[in-house]
Amino acid sequence: DTEVTQTPKHLVMGMTNKKSLKCEQHMGHRAMYWYKQKAKKPPELMFVYSYEKLSINESVPSRFSPECPNSSLLNLHLHALQPEDSALYLCASSLVRSINTGELFFGEGSRLTVL
Amino acid sequence: AQSVTQPDIHITVSEGASLELRCNYSYGATPYLFWYVQSPGQGLQLLLKYFSGDTLVQGIKGFEAEFKRSQSSFNLRKPSVHWSDAAEYFCAVGGSSGGGADGLTFGKGTHLIIQP
Repeated sequence: DTEVTQTPKHLVMGMTNKKSLKCEQHMGHRAMYWYKQKAKKPPELMFVYSYEKLSINESVPSRFSPECPNSSLLNLHLHALQPEDSALYLCASSLVRSINTGELFFGEGSRLTVL
Repeated sequence: AQSVTQPDIHITVSEGASLELRCNYSYGATPYLFWYVQSPGQGLQLLLKYFSGDTLVQGIKGFEAEFKRSQSSFNLRKPSVHWSDAAEYFCAVGGSSGGGADGLTFGKGTHLIIQP
């Protein structure tokens, strides 16, 4: 199994809603990442988890709250989002948090629209 | 600070023709270099990577890339493109000192259009 699975694929939410994005991998990877990608732009790193611990938070607003319940799962909890938060949210994983051990495996993304 | 430049925002190529996508990087030490491809509405897929050794790297889907330290370049090539190659291509550079994917810098991407 070489997949990173993200759900839901599409999400529409109002600014007062609370929702969550989910990511799952069963490759035994111990590093997991959330990226945000706006249209026609490269992905921007948001969070990095290494061995289920938050390693990096790239100054992301608190309305985005990551959670790593176990080594296979990564969630992104969303609350009080703004329309400018509409984007494709990509989850990725790697064997460990080290650039020289291999590639990032990306999921297909969750396309979020905030009304 | 490391950076990646992809000079071409769009490239149009006829099906069956050869392709070269340009990538220039700036990095103070030995770079780790990657090419990723993103089809519409999809995540990113790694095409190939360069860490060390042979400067000509073979990847998936018939792609190759050549690392040229003197030119700070890592251009992606394919001898004959197929309509299914139409996608967004991202070059990325990472540090050999580790630091994980948080040390990965993406270029702005090149949008490849294939003409019949």
